[in-house]
Amino acid sequence: DVKVTQSSRYLVKRTGEKVFLECVQDMDHENMFWYRQDPGLGLRLIYFSYDVKMKEKGDIPEGYSVSREKKERFSLILESASTNQTSMYLCASSLQPRMGTEAFFGQGTRLTVV
Amino acid sequence: AQTVTQSQPEMSVQEAETVTLSCTYDTSESDYYLFWYKQPPSRQMILVIRQEAYKQQNATENRFSVNFQKAAKSFSLKISDSQLGDAAMYFCAYAIIQGAQKLVFGQGTRLTINP
Repeated sequence: DVKVTQSSRYLVKRTGEKVFLECVQDMDHENMFWYRQDPGLGLRLIYFSYDVKMKEKGDIPEGYSVSREKKERFSLILESASTNQTSMYLCASSLQPRMGTEAFFGQGTRLTVV
Repeated sequence: AQTVTQSQPEMSVQEAETVTLSCTYDTSESDYYLFWYKQPPSRQMILVIRQEAYKQQNATENRFSVNFQKAAKSFSLKISDSQLGDAAMYFCAYAIIQGAQKLVFGQGTRLTINP
């Protein structure tokens, strides 16, 4: 069974802390994505990666960075957490286009910054 | 930039009835995929149905079907014989085929099933 695993379901951090959200997939997928989900705004793409060490900015990259040192792992980093980064974060992975493209999602991490 | 718009924040339907969720998108690409994803209260996002833009035939998966109008850039989801388990957030999404795949989502529609 395919699996995308996010390291935490719930996280509470203080303003100014450096926060790491980890995502691991076991499907040998090339593409990995980080989204944030907010009511009324849907899923907004923060960053995505189409290969190891390769990354592309999404629509809302400000305040975030990412790391993909290994194919199966894609980390989202909040360099200095702020209250406006309180949100649900979803990780996803997929094969390259024309090989499937269905995205598989993790369970999400609900991050609260206080 | 590609955008996906779902104009219905909430919809409700009686159990066993049919409901249609709307989605429009904007793109200059000719080759792409469109998707409907479902997110139940458990938060696990699940693929419901997908459509490849070069295929004229509308995709169907059991009780779920789409009405794909490429010229109008419209991609609606029809759920027939609605069941209580269909209650969820539904997201329309778009992905280009060439280059680095970027999956773009709409705002979502919350579907309630009334028993």
